Amino acid sequence: GQNIDQPTEMTATEGAIVQINCTYQTSGFNGLFWYQQHAGEAPTFLSYNVLDGLEEKGRFSSFLSRSKGYSYLLLKELQMKDSASYLCAVVDSNYQLIWGAGTKLIIKP
Amino acid sequence: DTAVSQTPKYLVTQMGNDKSIKCEQNLGHDTMYWYKQDSKKFLKIMFSYNNKELIINETVPNRFSPKSPDKAHLNLHINSLELGDSAVYFCASSQGEAGGWETQYFGPGTRLLVL
Repeated sequence: GQNIDQPTEMTATEGAIVQINCTYQTSGFNGLFWYQQHAGEAPTFLSYNVLDGLEEKGRFSSFLSRSKGYSYLLLKELQMKDSASYLCAVVDSNYQLIWGAGTKLIIKP
Repeated sequence: DTAVSQTPKYLVTQMGNDKSIKCEQNLGHDTMYWYKQDSKKFLKIMFSYNNKELIINETVPNRFSPKSPDKAHLNLHINSLELGDSAVYFCASSQGEAGGWETQYFGPGTRLLVL
């Protein structure tokens, strides 16, 4: 079967750095998305990786290793507004999007 | 300007009723989706429509039926509502025909509570 694993919840301090990991086992791979979802709101797009390596976008970076079936989202200089759930989603060989359950990130002052 | 909009935002109803949720996108996208997000916050794809044709139909009860009058609209009709249907339903859209690998833009969600 297809499976995406993320930690259920993480806690970090304002101003610090946090890394949210995602591992996947899917039938084929055509890219990996990270979405952010604030409580009570819709998911919003953060990043898309299809090649190995690190993609940096401001305070957020996303890394992919296809051989390891592994990605992480790195958040720097954490702000209180970064408190949200972060969803990892993989595009499989049929171009279907398989969603992880999300990681709830709690930022403390 | 709202890119993907849904109505209603909140829906409270009795078991056994029939209800519809509407979705509209003004992005000119080719594909639209319906997701169900349950209390555990897990997003589950229900349907997607591309150019008015159903291209994904996950194992959802046939009480749920998507209706697309045109490319900009994908409505969700639910018959004989059950307690387990209580969830947040998100509409989304994306460009292109593949249906899964383009960035998806989500509506604000419809919070359905079945009593």
